[in-house]
Amino acid sequence: AQSVTQLGSHVSVSEGALVLLRCNYSSSVPPYLFWYVQYPNQGLQLLLKYTSAATLVKGINGFEAEFKKSETSFHLTKPSAHMSDAAEYFCAVSESSGNTPLVFGKGTRLSVIA
Amino acid sequence: DAGVIQSPRHEVTEMGQEVTLRCKPISGHDYLFWYRQTMMRGLELLIYFNNNVPIDDSGMPEDRFSAKMPNASFSTLKIQPSEPRDSAVYFCASRPSTGNTEAFFGQGTRLTVV
Repeated sequence: AQSVTQLGSHVSVSEGALVLLRCNYSSSVPPYLFWYVQYPNQGLQLLLKYTSAATLVKGINGFEAEFKKSETSFHLTKPSAHMSDAAEYFCAVSESSGNTPLVFGKGTRLSVIA
Repeated sequence: DAGVIQSPRHEVTEMGQEVTLRCKPISGHDYLFWYRQTMMRGLELLIYFNNNVPIDDSGMPEDRFSAKMPNASFSTLKIQPSEPRDSAVYFCASRPSTGNTEAFFGQGTRLTVV
């Protein structure tokens, strides 16, 4: 079975500060990993994904994440937070076969303070 | 493509009534997923289909919940009878069987059972 743990249900940063959202996964097979963003009253939008190519993955809106197998982690970072980054962020895992559903973490709400 | 389309966006119903949520996946996507989002439990997978066939419905909470996919372009999630604890946001997502591995989400249906 696969699972995802997101450390911190709520993270608050100042505008211009580093954003770090933590994600650890558990998987018995090689995983695919994803970060999604959800704005209020919206669906989930893909930020970036790891599918066994480069371990450092760049996504939209200046976000990136690094797959670290030894740490079973896939933390999301952005060098400088913007007010528009305030949203809910979800980490998800699936099997690398691509034939299994995505399993999501509980989410981390990011607040950006002016 | 217009993306995954869900209807209605909002539904308010009285306890005991039947509720039907609808989803039109992206054309050509072979997988369709139904998720439920609540504050307490986050995003839970309820059921998913591959080529219109239900593959795993172990996430369906009770027999009051049922889902169908009569053809490749339409799926329903039905709750009968509805209860206040069913209040949540229900998401439909679809994914192709090859190529991109991420799921594409609809805007969701916010269900309130009073």
